[in-house]
Amino acid sequence: RKEVEQDPGPFNVPEGATVAFNCTYSNSASQSFFWYRQDCRKEPKLLMSVYSSGNEDGRFTAQLNRASQYISLLIRDSKLSDSATYLCVVNPYAGGTSYGKLTFGQGTILTVHP
Amino acid sequence: GAVVSQHPSWVICKSGTSVKIECRSLDFQATTMFWYRQFPKQSLMLMATSNEGSKATYEQGVEKDKFLINHASLTLSTLTVTSAHPEDSSFYICSGYSSYNEQFFGPGTRLTVL
Repeated sequence: RKEVEQDPGPFNVPEGATVAFNCTYSNSASQSFFWYRQDCRKEPKLLMSVYSSGNEDGRFTAQLNRASQYISLLIRDSKLSDSATYLCVVNPYAGGTSYGKLTFGQGTILTVHP
Repeated sequence: GAVVSQHPSWVICKSGTSVKIECRSLDFQATTMFWYRQFPKQSLMLMATSNEGSKATYEQGVEKDKFLINHASLTLSTLTVTSAHPEDSSFYICSGYSSYNEQFFGPGTRLTVL
């Protein structure tokens, strides 16, 4: 079983749609969780951290369920510029992404069309 | 955020040759840098953790004699792929972290071995 699993998609949605991505992780000792965005042939960039209480950043909402070892990302009012691969990332250490070895999911491809 | 550069951004080489990839932290000192590899349509896989002034720590399955890592200063880590073969063709990405509590990724190096 992969340490971090995501539905690879692809997800093809029209502009303005709401889309949700799911992710599960196998290491129950994992402490911190993130969503990254990766554009084609580019490095991944941090989109947002994920907290147990759930957190929102503009059109993006992230949720964490530690009991189920499940992470989600919701994108509302999709824009063309949201087209990218979204990576679910887990860190065995608490805090930011600095410490410890990040484990990446295989990514979910999103394409937003006009 | 902090800036990490990689050089070269892409390289094509013949089978059997060695290729050196540089990773530099431009505006912060990175005691630790990480090297990842990403094959097409797959996720980033951590290859090794590079520590300034000491030997790198390699992940299981990564040959330390094939992927030589040198972290001679707080701003530079190098990865040398020795005797490269076509199966080594991949996207190599480094990252480092600073006091910003976030891991910053380099733009990646695309290696193609003919």
